[in-house]
Amino acid sequence: QVQLVQSGAEVKKPGSSVKVSCKASGGTFSSYAISWVRQAPGQGLEWMGGIIPIFGTANYAQKFQGRVTITADESTSTAYMELSSLRSEDTAVYYCARAGEEWLLLGYFDYWGQGTLVTVSS
Amino acid sequence: QSALTQPPSASGSPGQSVTISCTGTSSDVGGYNYVSWYQQHPGKAPKLMIYEVSKRPSGVPDRFSGSKSGNTASLTVSGLQAEDEADYYCSSYAGSNNRYVFGTGTKVTVL
Repeated sequence: QVQLVQSGAEVKKPGSSVKVSCKASGGTFSSYAISWVRQAPGQGLEWMGGIIPIFGTANYAQKFQGRVTITADESTSTAYMELSSLRSEDTAVYYCARAGEEWLLLGYFDYWGQGTLVTVSS
Repeated sequence: QSALTQPPSASGSPGQSVTISCTGTSSDVGGYNYVSWYQQHPGKAPKLMIYEVSKRPSGVPDRFSGSKSGNTASLTVSGLQAEDEADYYCSSYAGSNNRYVFGTGTKVTVL
């Protein structure tokens, strides 16, 4: 059974950066894409970007281009999402999610992490 | 990329059916069969209920079904049960430029 376990909640100052981790277990890591999806309080889901670990190149939603960096470490089966220049509007729960098909960056997500709350406040 | 349009709310009595629509464009819902639906209970991560328009993952009851016509996809929950009360989000692949979009979300209430 695939499990995605994320790092704990963070409180950050405006203008700073945050890096959230997502450790996978129970399945193949390298050939299944990991995406990051965020959800602001009381709001809907928003795709930020994703990566197929073995390829190492991430794809980002236009909205986050230049501000988000997604990486993956095959040796530890862990994906990371770093968001910079944080502002209050970035306060949200950040989820990692695994693609449902091998080699497919986007399509659907069959496993999700538990979510990481990032609070941006001065 | 704009979010896909869903009704804010839907409701039904136990045992009844409810259908949620998800309207996009020919660049997302209408252009690809990568439409999926997620159920989210308060404080929990989303759960995949339907993928590729109408396929159900293992373990999802057959009370949940999906379909698509043109730029609009639909999720039907038949035989509503108390545990079906949750938020539901549709999503779609949106091409190499726009990537991936979610719907605005629908809160389903079991009366």
